[in-house]
Amino acid sequence: KQEVTQIPAALSVPEGENLVLNCSFTDSAIYNLQWFRQDPGKGLTSLLLIQSSQREQTSGRLNASLDKSSGRSTLYIAASQPGDSATYLCAVTTDKLIFGTGTRLQVFP
Amino acid sequence: NAGVTQTPKFRILKIGQSMTLQCAQDMNHNYMYWYRQDPGMGLKLIYYSVGAGITDKGEVPNGYNVSRSTTEDFPLRLELAAPSQTSVYFCASSYTDWVRDEQYFGPGTRLTVT
Repeated sequence: KQEVTQIPAALSVPEGENLVLNCSFTDSAIYNLQWFRQDPGKGLTSLLLIQSSQREQTSGRLNASLDKSSGRSTLYIAASQPGDSATYLCAVTTDKLIFGTGTRLQVFP
Repeated sequence: NAGVTQTPKFRILKIGQSMTLQCAQDMNHNYMYWYRQDPGMGLKLIYYSVGAGITDKGEVPNGYNVSRSTTEDFPLRLELAAPSQTSVYFCASSYTDWVRDEQYFGPGTRLTVT
């Protein structure tokens, strides 16, 4: 059974830091992996989608990598800002989307 | 485009009551989904639909029903509400399937059953 784990569960950093969020999954037979952002009281916003044949995707200050064989993905956020404060979820696609429990990020000025 | 809209935003139900959570999308997406998110947990798929008239069960379908009479609408019905159904419910849609296409999410409905 596919399980998705995100570490750490919560992270608090000062503005300007570069940071890494981790996502691990138990079964490497995935089609793709997605990173989402969730703001309090709001829905999810898709940030990056990495197909299983890809190693990384970039969007602005965000860079996501995928190592399927080791069951790991990282989301790198460069030069963090208070507006980055949110919960970040990763999800792997098998016969359905399977979500991790998220990392709650707080960036303070 | 409004994207994916959900109503209501909040609802409190008594045990045994019924209600329908509404979901609509204006992006002409074929696929629509219902998820629930329990506190501190990831999202779990309840039901999904690949087009009008076609629905299928997800991971946690018990206690729920869906229908898809139009491309735009995908309501979720709770027949006999139970405390275990207290959760935040998200509707999502995508143009093609979840393997090839990203999903767009609505803002959620926070449901409390007491």
